[in-house]
Amino acid sequence: NAGVTQTPKFRVLKTGQSMTLLCAQDMNHEYMYWYRQDPGMGLRLIHYSVGEGTTAKGEVPDGYNVSRLKKQNFLLGLESAAPSQTSVYFCASSYILIGELFFGEGSRLTVL
Amino acid sequence: AQSVSQHNHHVILSEAASLELGCNYSYGGTVNLFWYVQYPGQHLQLLLKYFSGDPLVKGIKGFEAEFIKSKFSFNLRKPSVQWSDTAEYFCAVNGAFTGTASKLTFGTGTRLQVTL
Repeated sequence: NAGVTQTPKFRVLKTGQSMTLLCAQDMNHEYMYWYRQDPGMGLRLIHYSVGEGTTAKGEVPDGYNVSRLKKQNFLLGLESAAPSQTSVYFCASSYILIGELFFGEGSRLTVL
Repeated sequence: AQSVSQHNHHVILSEAASLELGCNYSYGGTVNLFWYVQYPGQHLQLLLKYFSGDPLVKGIKGFEAEFIKSKFSFNLRKPSVQWSDTAEYFCAVNGAFTGTASKLTFGTGTRLQVTL
């Protein structure tokens, strides 16, 4: 039972490049989330999904896109990376919308 | 909009000292409250949660938290910390009965350093 798995774990990009972070969960959770963690700012919600085929904006959605084509996967895309997107990204899932979140191990992204 | 404040950004304690980390939230309705812990190099994991009932909640590894509704607080406590408690601690809150717009709001975190 892997829980929540994120790939890749580390990535370095140049400004303007694009990339996709993949999150996969094997707990059959309906709800999935993408957060970014920055020093002194805690975790901020980028986008979330309440079910397959649905997505919604969180606190800091600009510059990111997401897709939830399959229930177990939640993809986070950066179309044109900027240095301000240097961060650690965490994916999470939950059984109910207001319940406990289960987190992945994080993906550290550096944009030069 | 809901918000969470953790006033202690960095706490340094000696082993066996008692711990209390503050958490205050701002939200007009019924809330669910959580404390998450992030050990160095690891992902966040749930320490304890409060949904309803007894306002004194016990979690893993000897941690407990008390929900004081009148003070909008959910402080985390441990009577005697260990070196292995060195981690970052996050308080989080979300509205208990809101719909699809509900989300978990995190505080900025408190970094706990326990010295031997």
